[in-house]
Amino acid sequence: DAKTTQPPSMDCAEGRAANLPCNHSTISGNEYVYWYRQIHSQGPQYIIHGLKNNETNEMASLIITEDRKSSTLILPHATLRDTAVYYCIVRAPSFTGANSKLTFGKGITLSVRP
Amino acid sequence: DVKVTQSSRYLVKRTGEKVFLECVQDMDHENMFWYRQDPGLGLRLIYFSYDVKMKEKGDIPEGYSVSREKKERFSLILESASTNQTSMYLCASSLVSGSPREQFFGPGTRLTVL
Repeated sequence: DAKTTQPPSMDCAEGRAANLPCNHSTISGNEYVYWYRQIHSQGPQYIIHGLKNNETNEMASLIITEDRKSSTLILPHATLRDTAVYYCIVRAPSFTGANSKLTFGKGITLSVRP
Repeated sequence: DVKVTQSSRYLVKRTGEKVFLECVQDMDHENMFWYRQDPGLGLRLIYFSYDVKMKEKGDIPEGYSVSREKKERFSLILESASTNQTSMYLCASSLVSGSPREQFFGPGTRLTVL
C-alpha cells in the first residue's frame, strides 16, 4: 500500500468547515483513498473512500486532486463530537486473507473548539 | 447500519488466566479481524477469518488463538494472559466480495492484565 503523510494536528471552530489534508504521492492507479476516524477510547469508524472522483456522503466530502497525489477530507460543519484522530489510508481494493488488514499511520488529531 | 459488538468494554484479568474476547457482527460479513492497538504502534493484526472455521495468522498471533464456529461470531482467546497483552483489542468485519471493502469496527475492549 502507498504511504500517506498527514500533519500531526489541526483545530477548527465549531460550525466551520474542517479541511484535513493528506499526501499520497506514490499512489498507484488502482489504489483507493480511504478515511477513517477514531474518537477517544472508541473503535475506528469508516468515513468515506474514493478513487479519483470527488465523493460526498452524509458525514463528509472527499476531494482528490487530478494527479491523485493528495486529497482533502472536508467536514462541512464541524461539531465538538468530530474531535478525533483522522486516518488517511491508501490501498488497493482487491486483496485476500490477512492482506485485507488495515494499516493505520499516526493520523491527524482534529480538535474542534467551541 | 452495520453493527459490530464486543462482549466487554473493559476487562481486568490476572497473569496466567485464560481470557475470552467475543465479537459479533450482524451484517452477514464473511471477513472478521482481531487487532490490538497500542500507543505509538498503531493497529496490528492478530488473526483474520474469512469463513466459518477458517482462520489466518496476522502479524502478531503468538499467545493468541481464535475460534469461528458461526459466521457472525469471532472469538479471541488468550490462552495464558501476560502483562504484555494489556492493550486495546478491536474487532472488525467486512464483506469479502465487492470492491472496495471497508471494515467496520466494534467499540473495542480495553484489557488490563495484572
